[in-house]
Amino acid sequence: GQNIDQPTEMTATEGAIVQINCTYQTSGFNGLFWYQQHAGEAPTFLSYNVLDGLEEKGRFSSFLSRSKGYSYLLLKELQMKDSASYLCAAMDSNYQLIWGAGTKLIIKP
Amino acid sequence: EAEVAQSPRYKITEKSQAVAFWCDPISGHATLYWYRQILGQGPELLVQFQDESVVDDSQLPKDRFSAERLKGVDSTLKIQPAELGDSAMYLCASSLGLAGNQETQYFGPGTRLLVL
Repeated sequence: GQNIDQPTEMTATEGAIVQINCTYQTSGFNGLFWYQQHAGEAPTFLSYNVLDGLEEKGRFSSFLSRSKGYSYLLLKELQMKDSASYLCAAMDSNYQLIWGAGTKLIIKP
Repeated sequence: EAEVAQSPRYKITEKSQAVAFWCDPISGHATLYWYRQILGQGPELLVQFQDESVVDDSQLPKDRFSAERLKGVDSTLKIQPAELGDSAMYLCASSLGLAGNQETQYFGPGTRLLVL
């Protein structure tokens, strides 16, 4: 079956660095997406990886290892506004997104 | 910046009533998705359109849910009759819709439904 696993909740301190992990199992693979979702709002696109390696975009970076079925989202210089849920989604061979349940990130001062 | 529009933003209804949600995708986007998201879970795909045609509605509870995109632009999702378990956020997303492409989906603000 198809499955996405990510931690339910993480806590970090303002100004610090946090890494949110995601493992996936899909029928075929056409890339891995990360979305940010603030409470009560819609998901907003953060990053897309289809090749192995690290993609850096400002304070956010995303890593992919296709052989391990593994990705992580790295957030640096954490700000209070980064408190949100982070959704990992893998695209299968039919170009459908398989979604994780999301990781709720709590930032403390 | 182009956005996906949805209305209403909030809807409170009583069980057994009918409700309808509207979505207008980003201009030029051929693919439109309706998702349901229960608190603490990821989005669940209900239906996917390519232009006016349904591509996937395998998870749509067809006894009570219906969706249409008659002119291949905006779309309506209807629930009749609503049940208590339908309380959730209903999200609409769109993407360019080029065949065989790994495309980013862009989401609207969602409609939060509460069934009493």
